[in-house]
Amino acid sequence: KAGVTQTPRYLIKTRGQQVTLSCSPISGHRSVSWYQQTPGQGLQFLFEYFSETQRNKGNFPGRFSGRQFSNSRSEMNVSTLELGDSALYLCASSLDASGGTYEQYFGPGTRLTVT
Amino acid sequence: QKEVEQDPGPLSVPEGAIVSLNCTYSNSAFQYFMWYRQYSRKGPELLMYTYSSGNKEDGRFTAQVDKSSKYISLFIRDSQPSDSATYLCAVNDYKLSFGAGTTVTVRA
Repeated sequence: KAGVTQTPRYLIKTRGQQVTLSCSPISGHRSVSWYQQTPGQGLQFLFEYFSETQRNKGNFPGRFSGRQFSNSRSEMNVSTLELGDSALYLCASSLDASGGTYEQYFGPGTRLTVT
Repeated sequence: QKEVEQDPGPLSVPEGAIVSLNCTYSNSAFQYFMWYRQYSRKGPELLMYTYSSGNKEDGRFTAQVDKSSKYISLFIRDSQPSDSATYLCAVNDYKLSFGAGTTVTVRA
C-alpha cells in the first residue's frame, strides 16, 4: 500500500506571497492532520480534517488554512508568508475507524523556504 | 508547561549498546503514546504505539509507559549504525503532541 505523499517536496517563496501544499493520504485513511516542524519549536499541530470538515485546530494564526476533498486528499494554504513560516510541513493520515486519530502515518514533508 | 518533555541529547553510543530514551508528560488523561523515528530530511516514521501503561516489544525495540509517574521510555537493544536518527516521543488525544526529539548516533 502506498504511503502518504506530499507535493511539492521543496518550495521557495517570497515574503508576502501565498502557498498551497498538497497531501494524499494512505488509501482508506479518512483523517488528515498537518504539522509544522522547525528547529526552534519542534513539531506543532496545525489542524486536522475528517470527512471534509476541520475537526481540530492548533494555535496558529488565520493565515494558515486547509481543506479536505471527498477523496480525503487535503491541501493547506498559507497566505501573506512571513520569514518565520520557513519550515518542514508534514501531513499525517490515520484510519480513524473508531473516531480517534491514534496511529498517524507521516508523509515526507514539504520544505518551505520564505525569503 | 509543555505537554511532553524530552531531553534533546545528543546521545552517542557504540554499536551493540542499549539505547535508552525517556520522556515525561504532564496530563494524566493521556492514554495513547507513540515513538517516532526521523531520519535527516525525512518525515517521522511510527515505531511503536502503546495504549495505557505497560510494555510493548517489537524486535529490538521495547516501549514502556508508566502512567503513575507519567514517564515514557524506549529501549533499543543491540543498536546498529542504521538506528542513528532522531527519536520523538508523542502523546495523542485528538492531536499528536511531540517531545523535542533526541538525536542518537550509533558509532560503528
